[in-house]
Amino acid sequence: DSGVTQTPKHLITATGQRVTLRCSPRSGDLSVYWYQQSLDQGLQFLIQYYNGEERAKGNILERFSAQQFPDLHSELNLSSLELGDSALYFCASSVDPRTTDTQYFGPGTRLTVL
Amino acid sequence: DAKTTQPNSMESNEEEPVHLPCNHSTISGTDYIHWYRQLPSQGPEYVIHGLTSNVNNRMASLAIAEDRKSSTLILHRATLRDAAVYYCILRDVNAGGTSYGKLTFGQGTILTVHP
Repeated sequence: DSGVTQTPKHLITATGQRVTLRCSPRSGDLSVYWYQQSLDQGLQFLIQYYNGEERAKGNILERFSAQQFPDLHSELNLSSLELGDSALYFCASSVDPRTTDTQYFGPGTRLTVL
Repeated sequence: DAKTTQPNSMESNEEEPVHLPCNHSTISGTDYIHWYRQLPSQGPEYVIHGLTSNVNNRMASLAIAEDRKSSTLILHRATLRDAAVYYCILRDVNAGGTSYGKLTFGQGTILTVHP
């Protein structure tokens, strides 16, 4: 158990819909990362927050957005969903991205878009 | 990001040592070498990291070539639980902008452990 929690575990929805994925980082970790894992693209970095502020952006679609709240939990919002958005979405947390510290990954949310 | 190259797959027998290679010929002086693994149906898990010297921890050892253009993750006695995809990742501690803090995963090496 990494200490990072993600809800829900599974999500099945239809094209065009909007969903919210939630992540609670390990106690004491200020940085949250979101990654997407699909069969064709592998594990891809989406976005990173540190203490409530966006710090880095990867290949995140404009239909996707995220935020980190004052209690440090984070939400990833996916809208206008397409079949190709079906993937595993992982959240990770770390103490401070400015060092070589470890990222701890949650168990993931499996999103299926029908 | 500097690129890493790993074999697609490797096989091992239980209780034997496993040496997982990684080439990173374009590594820079500020790139740390990180290894993560992903067990089936789980999120990635940190294994070990190093800069220049060899490193040991309870999970594995990391051997880094003198020129730093390659490294090897060593599992001293493979168990069935070590069957996973192993990722070798370079992480620049001085990276700013869009590279700040992120991990860039390649395809990794699928390790199969036979009983």
